Amino acid sequence: ETGVTQTPRHLVMGMTNKKSLKCEQHLGHNAMYWYKQSAKKPLELMFVYNFKEQTENNSVPSRFSPECPNSSHLFLHLHTLQPEDSALYLCASSQALAESYEQYFGPGTRLTVT
Amino acid sequence: GIQVEQSPPDLILQEGANSTLRCNFSDSVNNLQWFHQNPWGQLINLFYIPSGTKQNGRLSATTVATERYSLLYISSSQTTDSGVYFCAVPTGGFKTIFGAGTRLFVKA
Repeated sequence: ETGVTQTPRHLVMGMTNKKSLKCEQHLGHNAMYWYKQSAKKPLELMFVYNFKEQTENNSVPSRFSPECPNSSHLFLHLHTLQPEDSALYLCASSQALAESYEQYFGPGTRLTVT
Repeated sequence: GIQVEQSPPDLILQEGANSTLRCNFSDSVNNLQWFHQNPWGQLINLFYIPSGTKQNGRLSATTVATERYSLLYISSSQTTDSGVYFCAVPTGGFKTIFGAGTRLFVKA
């Protein structure tokens, strides 16, 4: 595997389900990000991790719970979601924090909440 | 906070035509990236260009940091160029702000 990978690519879940999204980067980077892209809206930053430490939580509801066990892996745990949470969830990584370094994105997980 | 505006919002081209996409930002930046989002949602890095001009094949980009804008040029467009083009700039701290994008459709 190269670059940034995400699984699953598609997910349909009910509002009472619990699921997790996984992101893995093979670039030797130290910072990882979760973004949400809703239809016809710009990308919204959700969480930032730098060297496994969360440095940003952009006022995200608690039904989204991130986890970063090491610099290569990032998870987004989902529970009791709402239909408006249906979106494309994108993971990204950069060598260090984004201010001075390129971000590289995974292919995304397209989530539908029914 | 910093504002990022892209224009035009939508663009339709005939295959082979050239185009220029613009990104304006409201404050000085250390970094600017251009991305292409293909129809499957993948964001592809085009340029990391905080200032100056870069070229990659049919694409080139210029950022004039002192005047707070960046331009993306697409020459001899192809149908595979269709998708959404985003510019993105970092704010203070760890956030990156994305523009709303330019949606490009290239007709065969």
